Amino acid sequence: AQTVTQSQPEMSVQEAETVTLSCTYDTSESDYYLFWYKQPPSRQMILVIRQEAYKQQNATENRFSVNFQKAAKSFSLKISDSQLGDAAMYFCAYRTGNQFYFGTGTSLTVIP
Amino acid sequence: KAGVTQTPRYLIKTRGQQVTLSCSPISGHRSVSWYQQTPGQGLQFLFEYFSETQRNKGNFPGRFSGRQFSNSRSEMNVSTLELGDSALYLCASSALQAGTDTQYFGPGTRLTVL
Repeated sequence: AQTVTQSQPEMSVQEAETVTLSCTYDTSESDYYLFWYKQPPSRQMILVIRQEAYKQQNATENRFSVNFQKAAKSFSLKISDSQLGDAAMYFCAYRTGNQFYFGTGTSLTVIP
Repeated sequence: KAGVTQTPRYLIKTRGQQVTLSCSPISGHRSVSWYQQTPGQGLQFLFEYFSETQRNKGNFPGRFSGRQFSNSRSEMNVSTLELGDSALYLCASSALQAGTDTQYFGPGTRLTVL
């Protein structure tokens, strides 16, 4: 069975600092995609970053980057220079074929 | 392009009733997926439609059903509502059917069952 685990229900970071959110997943597939989604208090889910499993290079989107360790089945999200607008629930997601699995989320608080 | 839209945004029903939720995907997107989000269970996949065909279904009872129209708009129906069906129902669209494409989410429909 494919599962996604986010072991940190809550995290906090000082504004302008860096924070890393962890995610591990379990799969027997070799071809899949990983995502980080952000859900602010307004509830609209927004894509943060995406990683194809066949790519060894870690994806980067401005202040957001991932550390993808395929052998360890780990997919952490690093947010640099944290901003107040980064405060949200962050979901790690895994997709293969027609199935999409989400972790339980990490609530990130940004402290001014 | 306009984003994914869902109607209605809020809905209050009583046990035993049925409800229909609507989702309009991003223009050009042919895949629509539905998710149920609750504090206890998190985000759970309901089903996905592509070109009017259900491609996959999550582990939900038959009371949950859906359909997709030729213009890619999708509806989700829940019959014989139970208190546990209270949740935020999210719709997401993507351009491709295969599981490689990024999904874009709508704002959700908050369903409360009394």
